[in-house]
Amino acid sequence: DAGVIQSPRHEVTEMGQEVTLRCKPISGHDYLFWYRQTMMRGLELLIYFNNNVPIDDSGMPEDRFSAKMPNASFSTLKIQPSEPRDSAVYFCASSFTSGKIPYEQYFGPGTRLTVT
Amino acid sequence: QKEVEQNSGPLSVPEGAIASLNCTYSDRVSQSFFWYRQYSGKSPELIMSIYSNGDKEDGRFTAQLNKASQYVSLLIRDSQPSDSATYLCAVNIDGSARQLTFGSGTQLTVLP
Repeated sequence: DAGVIQSPRHEVTEMGQEVTLRCKPISGHDYLFWYRQTMMRGLELLIYFNNNVPIDDSGMPEDRFSAKMPNASFSTLKIQPSEPRDSAVYFCASSFTSGKIPYEQYFGPGTRLTVT
Repeated sequence: QKEVEQNSGPLSVPEGAIASLNCTYSDRVSQSFFWYRQYSGKSPELIMSIYSNGDKEDGRFTAQLNKASQYVSLLIRDSQPSDSATYLCAVNIDGSARQLTFGSGTQLTVLP
């Protein structure tokens, strides 16, 4: 089975430009999570969805960040306008609600974003 | 106080030794505990999950959970250089929460 798929794997952009990161969760998974990882702050949860509905976006740092999940197999994280401090690795993860506890999350390969 | 705390390391052990990684968490109602391994430049990879007090073994890995003391540990037996990575502890803070809170990770180096 294919794991979580993310694109692009690397993105270099100039300050002020719009950036769109994409994620395809594991088929059948009903939770999708977006994380950001930096050396200074570690792995931070930005937002997560359940059955395509945003549940908690309290980790989204600013209004410049937005996320959507139009269907069960696709999600985007958009930064507009981008700033140098947004440079980080962005991970998407998904999980499946079993009858017990659903929290095992599986991560995609990540998108390394560099804003110059 | 951080919600999930780990010793940042680095932790160095000789090849063949037992590596012991520790994690403490702040919320008594947490139910789910995970260990992820992250190689440099790669994404976190789930290696162990544990939900009940006691030990859980999977190959060379043993996870230990003590809810009364609010700690979870990971033992790696017969450590190999390929085990050199950062190990992240993850906990669902607030028992009903679906999201995980990650520790800052412990960097492990296994010396040949």
